[in-house]
Amino acid sequence: EAGVAQSPRYKIIEKRQSVAFWCNPISGHATLYWYQQILGQGPKLLIQFQNNGVVDDSQLPKDRFSAERLKGVDSTLKIQPAKLEDSAVYLCASSRQGTGELFFGEGSRLTVL
Amino acid sequence: GENVEQHPSTLSVQEGDSAVIKCTYSDSASNYFPWYKQELGKRPQLIIDIRSNVGEKKDQRIAVTLNKTAKHFSLHITETQPEDSAVYFCAASANDYKLSFGAGTTVTVRA
Repeated sequence: EAGVAQSPRYKIIEKRQSVAFWCNPISGHATLYWYQQILGQGPKLLIQFQNNGVVDDSQLPKDRFSAERLKGVDSTLKIQPAKLEDSAVYLCASSRQGTGELFFGEGSRLTVL
Repeated sequence: GENVEQHPSTLSVQEGDSAVIKCTYSDSASNYFPWYKQELGKRPQLIIDIRSNVGEKKDQRIAVTLNKTAKHFSLHITETQPEDSAVYFCAASANDYKLSFGAGTTVTVRA
């Protein structure tokens, strides 16, 4: 089966600019996650979707981050305006409902200058 | 929310020796404990997981143990090989909801 697809792989922006990341999960996976991984740290959950509904977004900085999953398939994560501390790899993952294993995408590396 | 602590942050072992990584968690409702391996520049991948109804699980050279009373779990790698060099993350969740990761352990296997 095809894996989790993410784009772009790399993005460099100036602070206060905006950026959007796209994720296409594995076909049939109901649950989709966005994680932020800062260099040298473990992934931190930003938001978890079950189909097209939000299960948890308690750690999403909602003043600047937004995410949506239209039609319960693809998802986009947006940052506006970006700050220097947003520099990280943004990992998208998906899982089958009722199972624990997360399948990660390659990640989108964001550098904010 | 769940807080997962992982030790050590770095681990260097001689090829053929064993490696042990330990994690503690805070939420007593957690019942799923996976371990992910992340090679340099690559995505994290699940290597083994354990649920709270068992105390130990083994898969070839890797094993995970769980102590629910003490709220800690460990990863054991025996007969380490160069390809075991990577960053290992433990994680915990309750009912597959909101998986929280530890900070990671960088394992280096010396030839």
